[in-house]
Order: sequence, then structure tokens, then C-alpha cells
Amino acid sequence: AQSVSQHNHHVILSEAASLELGCNYSYGGTVNLFWYVQYPGQHLQLLLKYFSGDPLVKGIKGFEAEFIKSKFSFNLRKPSVQWSDTAEYFCAVSRGAGSYQLTFGKGTKLSVIP
Amino acid sequence: NAGVTQTPKFQVLKTGQSMTLQCAQDMNHNSMYWYRQDPGMGLRLIYYSASEGTTDKGEVPNGYNVSRLNKREFSLRLESAAPSQTSVYFCASSASDSYEQYFGPGTRLTVT
Repeated sequence: AQSVSQHNHHVILSEAASLELGCNYSYGGTVNLFWYVQYPGQHLQLLLKYFSGDPLVKGIKGFEAEFIKSKFSFNLRKPSVQWSDTAEYFCAVSRGAGSYQLTFGKGTKLSVIP
Repeated sequence: NAGVTQTPKFQVLKTGQSMTLQCAQDMNHNSMYWYRQDPGMGLRLIYYSASEGTTDKGEVPNGYNVSRLNKREFSLRLESAAPSQTSVYFCASSASDSYEQYFGPGTRLTVT
């Protein structure tokens, strides 16, 4: 079965620090990749997505992610975090070619200290 | 345009009671989904409906039933609630030609 691994359960950073959250998946075929964010008390919102093309994708609020096919990875990055980035971040994967089911990672909680 | 709406926002049930969680979307999406979110577990798919009139089991369907009432509405029913079903339940929808899912605000359910 397809699985999605997020390496860090909880990350604590100071404002202006750089962020990288890891995500690896197990499926070997074509995939669609997503990062969702859940701010405290809110529902999930899409940060960015990758379907095909340029493996470096840019999302909202200054986030970006890089798809490295050889490493089965889709890591999320932001050069300089803000207190308002405090949230839980979920990586999700769906298989390509018509499969719309998402498999989520367990999430990484990010706490940004002012 | 409200997106995906869910009712109720909060619910407390006793073990053995039944209830239905409601979900509606106004984006004319064909596909709808029910997930549960538990601490440290991420989101797990309970059931999904690829189109009106069809439903399929996801990763954790036991103890739940669903109804795709029409294109807009997709309900989740707990026939006999158990403490293990204490969770936050999210509904989502997507267009048939899109892999992007849009989520509702969630229902926080506690079973005592």
C-alpha cells in the first residue's frame, strides 16, 4: 500500500529562520503531490501542488517545494518563517492517471517563536 | 460561495448512540470524501464518492456508512458510536478532472 512519511513530528523555529520539512512517499509510479496547512482551529488549506513539469513549485505565502523523483521526496521549504506560519503541515500524495484518493502523512507541527 | 460546509461543528455522543454528519458543497464538484483526523495519525480516508450515486470504502470504513444524497450532499452515519470514533471529521470535495481537494471546517465528535 502507498504510504507517506513526514520525518519530523514537531519543529520549533525562531522567526526569520529557514524551514525545510521532509516528505517521502512509497509509490513508484506517477504521482501527484500536495502540501496542505492547517492553522490552529481551522480546516486544511492547500499550500502548493505538483502534477508535472518543473519540479520546483511555488505556493502561497512564500512556500516552495521540490520534487525529487529519484528520492521519492517532496520537501517543503521557506527561506524565512514568521510567527503566523505556526500551524500543522501535511504532505499528501495521489497516484496519477485518474486516481483522486489522497494519502496523507501524519503531519508536522511547526511552532515559530517570535 | 461557501465552499464546503459541515454540520454540526461539535457533538458529544454516548456509546451506542447514532448520528449523521452532514456535508454540502456548492462548487459543482463530482467527487466528495470523508476523512477522520486523529492526533499523530494525519488524515485517514473513511469513504469517498467519485460521482453522484457511487460510494467506495477508504482506509478506515468500519463502523461508518455514507449516503451521496445528490451532487451537493454527502453524509456520514455512525450507527452505534464507540469511543474509538472520537475524532475530528473532515469532508472534502474535488472536481472530476482535478486532484485538488477542498476541505470543510470539520466536526469535532466526542463519544463517551
